[in-house]
Amino acid sequence: DAKTTQPPSMDCAEGRAANLPCNHSTISGNEYVYWYRQIHSQGPQYIIHGLKNNETNEMASLIITEDRKSSTLILPHATLRDTAVYYCIVRADSGNTPLVFGKGTRLSVIA
Amino acid sequence: GAVVSQHPSWVICKSGTSVKIECRSLDFQATTMFWYRQFPKQSLMLMATSNEGSKATYEQGVEKDKFLINHASLTLSTLTVTSAHPEDSSFYICSATDLTTYNEQFFGPGTRLTVL
Repeated sequence: DAKTTQPPSMDCAEGRAANLPCNHSTISGNEYVYWYRQIHSQGPQYIIHGLKNNETNEMASLIITEDRKSSTLILPHATLRDTAVYYCIVRADSGNTPLVFGKGTRLSVIA
Repeated sequence: GAVVSQHPSWVICKSGTSVKIECRSLDFQATTMFWYRQFPKQSLMLMATSNEGSKATYEQGVEKDKFLINHASLTLSTLTVTSAHPEDSSFYICSATDLTTYNEQFFGPGTRLTVL
């Protein structure tokens, strides 16, 4: 079972920042927070991951609360191509451990 | 980033036939690959974990005799849906872990199977 809770859907105006929340209150000390997204009829795409520090890359920023029980993915300037289902996943630091997907958040970027 | 390919991208078959789906890591070696399936408007469901040179580990409720998985090399895993039925119609997605970037899991583009 997925160990995260996300809102089922969100809307965002094009050009604005999209802030996607995720609750993971039962996260363990050795588990990372991963974010993937899936555009319709494609395989999931890696976005970012972190342990406890905030992270930023060319796609997004990840803000993790100090108690690590929740996080927020930030797309700084959403475009129409960012419309997708976004999945927040917690996973231990091991490549042999599969990603377990929850229901995710369907983000719709509106012109 | 690393690239994972799947072949075919889509397939239509008759009920009772078998279909093989290939998953390849193109520019990296993967000791572990994972197979998922996704029904319309649902999330990805893990089917099995495939380890190179050993038997696959199946999730509860997934029939190992129906979904045959072979992982004969570090760059290739295959999923064969045997005696396919219409209820097996789904989007099948594989993923692989790059040994050098151990935490990141790369996904293939998926294979859409339609069983008539």
